Amino acid sequence: QQQVKQSPQSLIVQKGGISIINCAYENTAFDYFPWYQQFPGKGPALLIAIRPDVSEKKEGRFTISFNKSAKQFSLHIMDSQPGDSATYFCAASMNSGYSTLTFGKGTMLLVSP
Amino acid sequence: NAGVTQTPKFRVLKTGQSMTLLCAQDMNHEYMYWYRQDPGMGLRLIHYSVGEGTTAKGEVPDGYNVSRLKKQNFLLGLESAAPSQTSVYFCASSRRRRETQYFGPGTRLLVL
Repeated sequence: QQQVKQSPQSLIVQKGGISIINCAYENTAFDYFPWYQQFPGKGPALLIAIRPDVSEKKEGRFTISFNKSAKQFSLHIMDSQPGDSATYFCAASMNSGYSTLTFGKGTMLLVSP
Repeated sequence: NAGVTQTPKFRVLKTGQSMTLLCAQDMNHEYMYWYRQDPGMGLRLIHYSVGEGTTAKGEVPDGYNVSRLKKQNFLLGLESAAPSQTSVYFCASSRRRRETQYFGPGTRLLVL
């Protein structure tokens, strides 16, 4: 059973546009939601993370929006650039025991020039 | 400061052969992880370690074994490789449980 559902699987956005990637979860015990960015041939790297005590977190052109009641969170990339072309993974974890990260299946983003 | 390194970068195995993937980190992190990445499947946790001498099973542990004899190293073993283990393997480490995970560059494994 997939605990974190990510959509879309792939996304093409024109340069300057807004990229939006959505994730939904079922486990209400999740309370840490990071996003990782992976360029081709590289390992993933943390992009931005949010905890449910806030509804939005912004870092530069990247914003996470969090809707606790709907059990959804999303990544918005404003003014998307070709250099943002990468695979993005959402993830979630619980604050219990040795809880590890559960990743979504990823979204391949292509920003066209 | 190399971060997380993985050896080898690429390997071809025949079905039934064994091999060990090595992960090393120089950040003095307590937690280390092994993931596999397959197209359309995201990152799936194989095994992880919460400190030197400890290991625990993740989501997809079957067919793999791990050891963490030294804090800086985390080894992933395949005793009898199968084509289903063809994948890209990533190692990661973090200082504490819910802090940033730092990933290595990956090992691409092809099992024929």
